[in-house]
Amino acid sequence: QLVLTQSPSASASLGASVKLTCTLTSWHSSHAITWHQQQPEKGPRYLMRVNNDGSHTKGDGIPDRFSGSSSGAERYLTISSLQSEDEADYYCQTWDTGNVFFGGGTKLTVL
Amino acid sequence: QVQLQESGPGLVKPSETLSLTCGVSGGSITNYYWSWIRQSPGKGLEWIGYIYDAGSANYNPSLKSRVTISVDTSKHQFSLKLTSATAADTAVYFCAGGGHYGDYAYWGQGTLVTVSS
Repeated sequence: QLVLTQSPSASASLGASVKLTCTLTSWHSSHAITWHQQQPEKGPRYLMRVNNDGSHTKGDGIPDRFSGSSSGAERYLTISSLQSEDEADYYCQTWDTGNVFFGGGTKLTVL
Repeated sequence: QVQLQESGPGLVKPSETLSLTCGVSGGSITNYYWSWIRQSPGKGLEWIGYIYDAGSANYNPSLKSRVTISVDTSKHQFSLKLTSATAADTAVYFCAGGGHYGDYAYWGQGTLVTVSS
């Protein structure tokens, strides 16, 4: 069974950078994932797809401050120059043999 | 830019059928995968299922016996039916879509459905 693991919470200061991690089960380590942002009381918003080679493709209008990378079974979302509106829940998501899987989400607090 | 909007009853009685519709505007409804995802209060996202081009559909195994997703291309909308609703089905329901079954480039804003007598 494919599982995506995310830390429940993260925090960083305004203007700083933060790197969020999504870990795939080891036998699914070649899978691409996508990152979604959910601000408080809003629907999710597609951020980007991150491939196993570290390349990433961002959604329309996603600022350059957001980037993706990869190492082994880990997929990363890095947010630089943190702004107050980046305080949100971040979910990774992937797919396999017709099914879709979400990570548990990371709640990012901007201090 | 494709925009999605969920609609349907906000309150459903236990054992009844939860029915929601997602209107698609700003783009074609064909040649895309259309999905439903839900979020129970204070919890994470749960995939419900998807449909492609009014044809093939696939559902979360844990919900498969109760879920039907369909597309009405003439009305530019797709729908969710979840039978035998219980309090555990209380959630915000999102519609989403993209060019691949795992692609959620487009999201609706979500609609809260409460299952209660």
